[in-house]
Amino acid sequence: DGGITQSPKYLFRKEGQNVTLSCEQNLNHDAMYWYRQDPGQGLRLIYYSQIVNDFQKGDIAEGYSVSREKKESFPLTVTSAQKNPTAFYLCASSIRPGYMNTEAFFGQGTRLTVV
Amino acid sequence: GQQVMQIPQYQHVQEGEDFTTYCNSSTTLSNIQWYKQRPGGHPVFLIQLVKSGEVKKQKRLTFQFGEAKKNSSLHITATQTTDVGTYFCAGLDNAGNMLTFGGGTRLMVKP
Repeated sequence: DGGITQSPKYLFRKEGQNVTLSCEQNLNHDAMYWYRQDPGQGLRLIYYSQIVNDFQKGDIAEGYSVSREKKESFPLTVTSAQKNPTAFYLCASSIRPGYMNTEAFFGQGTRLTVV
Repeated sequence: GQQVMQIPQYQHVQEGEDFTTYCNSSTTLSNIQWYKQRPGGHPVFLIQLVKSGEVKKQKRLTFQFGEAKKNSSLHITATQTTDVGTYFCAGLDNAGNMLTFGGGTRLMVKP
């Protein structure tokens, strides 16, 4: 089955620890995105990547880091510098923007709770 | 940077009533997309509008893209309880690089 997979679904961490959220896609999509969603809120862009080995900051990149060493994978690290890391994190991918069909496919999300 | 605003934030309707959510971008868009997120779920793509003034329909849902390609709307006719969820618009910038989501409109339908 083609799709985008995030793991784990739920994650608990102690304050001050870095944590890495996994995102893998087998859709052969060039573009990948990370969004943060707080309860009852919209989606805020953290980072996006158009191509392997390249990524750009979104609106709320502070306290987060990413890598794009492989086309299929776009892991997000939530660092201890992120002041309020508890949130629902969504990864998405799309065919390289600029093509007509730029629909974004989302993973199931990871609920991160920092205690 | 690009901003996409969506109103209203919440809407309660009686089943059978109509519903509309509006989306406005601070910049001209390459295209606009609409997504639906059910409670506890992830956003699922509904439709994409590309042309200025475009109107598309999906059964009871009507989507419009403004002439200036900066605003859009989603109208649902005769809502049903299955329409419950949060509806997001998302605008792709003209460079085709960044997909920015609006804050969403949460629709609640009373049976």
